[in-house]
Amino acid sequence: AQSVTQLGSHVSVSEGALVLLRCNYSSSVPPYLFWYVQYPNQGLQLLLKYTTGATLVKGINGFEAEFKKSETSFHLTKPSAHMSDAAEYFCAVIDSGNTPLVFGKGTRLSVIA
Amino acid sequence: GAVVSQHPSWVICKSGTSVKIECRSLDFQATTMFWYRQFPKQSLMLMATSNEGSKATYEQGVEKDKFLINHASLTLSTLTVTSAHPEDSSFYICSARQVFYEQYFGPGTRLTVT
Repeated sequence: AQSVTQLGSHVSVSEGALVLLRCNYSSSVPPYLFWYVQYPNQGLQLLLKYTTGATLVKGINGFEAEFKKSETSFHLTKPSAHMSDAAEYFCAVIDSGNTPLVFGKGTRLSVIA
Repeated sequence: GAVVSQHPSWVICKSGTSVKIECRSLDFQATTMFWYRQFPKQSLMLMATSNEGSKATYEQGVEKDKFLINHASLTLSTLTVTSAHPEDSSFYICSARQVFYEQYFGPGTRLTVT
C-alpha cells in the first residue's frame, strides 16, 4: 500500500525566502502525486499535480514541485515566500484506478515578516 | 475550475439529534465522492467512499449506522450524522472526483454537538 511522509510538521521561513516542503512516498507502481493547501477553516485547494510527462510541475501561486523517482520524492518549492502563503500543506498520492487519495500528515508553513 | 460546495458551512446541534450535510459538485459530474473528517491540527481521515447509485464503502472503524451516506446523483452526496454526540464534533470535508487524477474538495462543515 502506498504511503506519504512529510518531513517537518512545521516549517517557518522569512518573507522573501525560499520555501521547501518535503514529501516522500512509497508506492509499488508509478504514482500520481499531488500537493494541496488548506487555509484555516477551509477545504483543500489543489496546488499542483504530477501524473505523467515532465517531472517538474508548476502550480498556482508560484509553487512548483519535482518528481524524482530515484529518490521517491515530490518536494514543493517556491522561490520567494509571501505572507499569504502561511497555511497547511498536504502531499498526497494515488497509485491507480479509483482508490482514495492517501495524504501525508501535513506541514504547517509560517511566514515571518 | 471545478467547484464543490457543502451546506451548511457550520452547524450546532443538541446531543441525540441528527444532522445532514450536503455535498454538491457544481460544474462537473462526479463519478466518486469521498467524505473526510479532520481533527484540529491533523490530517484528513477518510471516512467513506461512495459511487452514484451504490452503497458507500466505509473505512475500518467508521460506524456505518452512525454516518449515513447517500450518493443520490452524479452531483450530490449527503452525510447524515445520526444521534450525534459531542465526540462527533469535528470538521467534515467532502471531495468529488471526475477522473482519478482530478479530485476537488468542498469548503468543509464545522459540526458542534452540545
